Amino acid sequence: KNQVEQSPQSLIILEGKNCTLQCNYTVSPFSNLRWYKQDTGRGPVSLTIMTFSENTKSNGRYTATLDADTKQSSLHITASQLSDSASYICVVAHYNTDKLIFGTGTRLQVFP
Amino acid sequence: SQTIHQWPATLVQPVGSPLSLECTVEGTSNPNLYWYRQAAGRGLQLLFYSVGIGQISSEVPQNLSASRPQDRQFILSSKKLLLSDSGFYLCAWSVGTGFLYFGPGTRLTVT
Repeated sequence: KNQVEQSPQSLIILEGKNCTLQCNYTVSPFSNLRWYKQDTGRGPVSLTIMTFSENTKSNGRYTATLDADTKQSSLHITASQLSDSASYICVVAHYNTDKLIFGTGTRLQVFP
Repeated sequence: SQTIHQWPATLVQPVGSPLSLECTVEGTSNPNLYWYRQAAGRGLQLLFYSVGIGQISSEVPQNLSASRPQDRQFILSSKKLLLSDSGFYLCAWSVGTGFLYFGPGTRLTVT
């Protein structure tokens, strides 16, 4: 069954600290993996998109890594800011159908 | 630049009432359009997608329907709402299988 699981479910960190969010997937074969940021009550916004051949991609203080062999991805946030408080959603696209399978997200809260 | 609009932002409707949510996209032509629903604590669920005017694919059987009367307009409807229809509804667009761009969402509460 094609699934995307994210951990932790929620995370609290202090402003300025780094954190890493995890995404494990069973989607096979997969086309690409995406990370989205969703502020409360808003639509998700794309952070990164990585294909099978890419191991890492950065977008400012956000760095996503991908290990296609172990079917794992991580999103690393450096020097967190209060505005990083949001849900982070991992999404994997199935290669054959282009269907997007969404994880349930990690809720990150950054406190001063 | 491309923008996507959804309205209304919030909606409270009684059970059994009709529903119409509208989504429009600006700045692009022939986009793929999508309706997603996000229930509390759950992942986004694809409801409908459209690759062109009048072309609608349904992912999940339910009492909802979608229409695409114009290239950049996507409408989500229901004749009779159920309590289980409550949720956060998101319209999105893409060109091909590239980035998915989401609208601001509509919070629907069925009472």
